[in-house]
Amino acid sequence: DVKVTQSSRYLVKRTGEKVFLECVQDMDHENMFWYRQDPGLGLRLIYFSYDVKMKEKGDIPEGYSVSREKKERFSLILESASTNQTSMYLCASSLTGSVQPQHFGDGTRLSIL
Amino acid sequence: AQKVTQAQTEISVVEKEDVTLDCVYETRDTTYYLFWYKQPPSGELVFLIRRNSFDEQNEISGRYSWNFQKSTSSFNFTITASQVVDSAVYFCALKAGTASKLTFGTGTRLQVTL
Repeated sequence: DVKVTQSSRYLVKRTGEKVFLECVQDMDHENMFWYRQDPGLGLRLIYFSYDVKMKEKGDIPEGYSVSREKKERFSLILESASTNQTSMYLCASSLTGSVQPQHFGDGTRLSIL
Repeated sequence: AQKVTQAQTEISVVEKEDVTLDCVYETRDTTYYLFWYKQPPSGELVFLIRRNSFDEQNEISGRYSWNFQKSTSSFNFTITASQVVDSAVYFCALKAGTASKLTFGTGTRLQVTL
């Protein structure tokens, strides 16, 4: 079974802090994704990566950056956290190809105070 | 652009009732894939099913069944004889063309009570 592990289930940070959310997958997947989930809005794609050191903006990249130095690890960075970034963050990975399903981690519930 | 609409925000049923979750999609691509995911209270999205645009056969897996109709751009999900463990948020999603990106609907929260 694919395992996608997010480093924290719950995280509380302060406005203006630099925040790192980490995600690791163990199935050698090429693609990795970061979403945020908000009530009534479903899941929205922030960034994704289709290879090491490669990244593409999703639908809502503003205020975020990402890093993928190794194939198994994909980090989401909030450069200067703001209260409107309080949300549930979900990481996913998949093999390449539109037929492939994405496999998700348990999510990180991030609160910015 | 791709779009997925799940018009039902929340559904409540009593255990053993049948329930259908609606999903309507929009895409201009002729090749696309549709997915359903379940998100239980624990938070992790669990992949349930994938359907490609060239296969309109309905599928049944235990108490779950899916009805794909290209004519109405719908991919509906039915749970027969619902159980409390079916309580979750269910998401319909679309991948179109050669993209690896998923477009999600806003989800339907299903509450099954005794």
